[in-house]
Amino acid sequence: AQSVTQPDIHITVSEGASLELRCNYSYGATPYLFWYVQSPGQGLQLLLKYFSGDTLVQGIKGFEAEFKRSQSSFNLRKPSVHWSDAAEYFCAVGALGYSTLTFGKGTMLLVSP
Amino acid sequence: DTAVSQTPKYLVTQMGNDKSIKCEQNLGHDTMYWYKQDSKKFLKIMFSYNNKELIINETVPNRFSPKSPDKAHLNLHINSLELGDSAVYFCASSRTPTGGNTEAFFGQGTRLTVV
Repeated sequence: AQSVTQPDIHITVSEGASLELRCNYSYGATPYLFWYVQSPGQGLQLLLKYFSGDTLVQGIKGFEAEFKRSQSSFNLRKPSVHWSDAAEYFCAVGALGYSTLTFGKGTMLLVSP
Repeated sequence: DTAVSQTPKYLVTQMGNDKSIKCEQNLGHDTMYWYKQDSKKFLKIMFSYNNKELIINETVPNRFSPKSPDKAHLNLHINSLELGDSAVYFCASSRTPTGGNTEAFFGQGTRLTVV
């Protein structure tokens, strides 16, 4: 079975600073990887996804993520964080033969002025 | 237009009651899901339906019963509510089962509080 680890429960970043949220997955074959964001009191919104091809994927709101097979990682990055980016971020993995996504436990992003 | 909509958004009820949460998607997707998000924000799949057929039924108490009257709707009925059922329940849908390159679209969630 696949699994996802998000090592950081909370991260605080100054507004305007760069951001990197870590995600590691465990799966024997090529995974399908996703990042979702959950703003307070809201549902989950897809930021970006990796299925195949270019390992650097661009998403909405200026986010990008890089798939590194050798490190089993799919870290989320943003060059300059805005206060509105404060939210919970979830990494998820899908895999052939499994009919659902497996989510990490989330990373709460706090943005300081 | 809301793609995946759930009702109600908030639900406060007493222990022992029976309640239902409704979900509708207008994306034309074949697959729908119920996820439970606990107080630590952990998301766990409960059920999945594909073309109205149950395809995933995780270890969930049988007090929880999903029903899919058609592809666009997936409801969740909970009998004899317990304090531990308090959580946020998310409905989601996808074009096909997310066993590959298919993303899931989520509703806004239903915050259930059992008192």
